[in-house]
Amino acid sequence: GAGVSQSPSNKVTEKGKDVELRCDPISGHTALYWYRQSLGQGLEFLIYFQGNSAPDKSGLPSDRFSAERTGGSVSTLTIQRTQQEDSAVYLCASSFLLAGQETQYFGPGTRLLVL
Amino acid sequence: SQQGEEDPQALSIQEGENATMNCSYKTSINNLQWYRQNSGRGLVHLILIRSNEREKHSGRLRVTLDTSKKSSSLLITASRAADTASYFCAPSGSARQLTFGSGTQLTVLP
Repeated sequence: GAGVSQSPSNKVTEKGKDVELRCDPISGHTALYWYRQSLGQGLEFLIYFQGNSAPDKSGLPSDRFSAERTGGSVSTLTIQRTQQEDSAVYLCASSFLLAGQETQYFGPGTRLLVL
Repeated sequence: SQQGEEDPQALSIQEGENATMNCSYKTSINNLQWYRQNSGRGLVHLILIRSNEREKHSGRLRVTLDTSKKSSSLLITASRAADTASYFCAPSGSARQLTFGSGTQLTVLP
């Protein structure tokens, strides 16, 4: 596809269960970001991958959160032992650098609800 | 933090009027970007203005940047109902990741 895609679009889970969220970036984009957005709030950075470099995990809120990017393309964000405060829209973005400037293109997000 | 703060928090105008929203930030930047978000999802990139630019146009959008005041404005001319959305500014500096504030919720009434 032409844009960033994410799956599932919606996920309802019970507290304590693990969830996996998937992101397919735009082909050729070298950077991939995960963010989350709670209701009525701004964007909170979680993690980003740049090429083959070690990911920047500085935004992950706890060790229950982890992410992988396989083959420099698809990424999976895993939340273990989900808590109600994990409920949010999880957004993925991909980007490339052009003339030293970067524009991030966002997917539609996964809306996670932890009951 | 390179987070931008949008002002006002909410703006309601009639179709055809112009809408102006502002962004203030605190750190040095390489560029500043504006995004739009409809219905709590779907962040769409609108425009990027570099730190050495003062004004940029894209269709009905006009963005200004004043690095001395660390502020930017987004003007939407001849607004339409479809412009109803939340608008976020994203100052971008040394950190690659974007940080958004709460945004400006624009409502364009038909």
